[in-house]
Amino acid sequence: GAVVSQHPSWVICKSGTSVKIECRSLDFQATTMFWYRQFPKQSLMLMATSNEGSKATYEQGVEKDKFLINHASLTLSTLTVTSAHPEDSSFYICSASRQVGGNTIYFGEGSWLTVV
Amino acid sequence: QKEVEQDPGPLSVPEGAIVSLNCTYSNSAFQYFMWYRQYSRKGPELLMYTYSSGNKEDGRFTAQVDKSSKYISLFIRDSQPSDSATYLCAMSEKTSYDKVIFGPGTSLSVIP
Repeated sequence: GAVVSQHPSWVICKSGTSVKIECRSLDFQATTMFWYRQFPKQSLMLMATSNEGSKATYEQGVEKDKFLINHASLTLSTLTVTSAHPEDSSFYICSASRQVGGNTIYFGEGSWLTVV
Repeated sequence: QKEVEQDPGPLSVPEGAIVSLNCTYSNSAFQYFMWYRQYSRKGPELLMYTYSSGNKEDGRFTAQVDKSSKYISLFIRDSQPSDSATYLCAMSEKTSYDKVIFGPGTSLSVIP
């Protein structure tokens, strides 16, 4: 069964509005979660590393004021796309580390964002 | 040179064939190697995970890591139409909290 839950799976929003995507680790605590973005037929691009109780670490070229990340608890990280534009339309995926014999990363089901 | 290289395909094979998927990488510090399967419009699903060099088998899947050549492989035996998906290799350096770097993925189609 799923170990990382992501919600919503699909969201359509109007240009200029903000959208929040949630990522939850099920049955385990995740002090670190990761947010990725994937365009059609392309690989996953890491956007930021979300750390529980502290500020997220953003990858080069990712606007931290546009993509707000909050990791308020050991099982929940949220990504808010602020003032969304059509070019923000993409597949957003979160992942969390689970210590099972080493470095194992589990992904959520992803969230399709369409900005119209 | 990209950190992780992977032939994007598409790769098309008949049902029952043995499939070989490969990745090369440039960072000799990578120690953790993973293979993910991603169906269209879904999040990646972890298939295999290996640490350092060697082989690991799980059912029809075998993962191989050759750190001296910076080359990893995933073999799928007796391929099935349900194996049709994009396969992503991924790797990281140290711990669970390290960045995971993904290959671009190989699109596989298994024809009945």
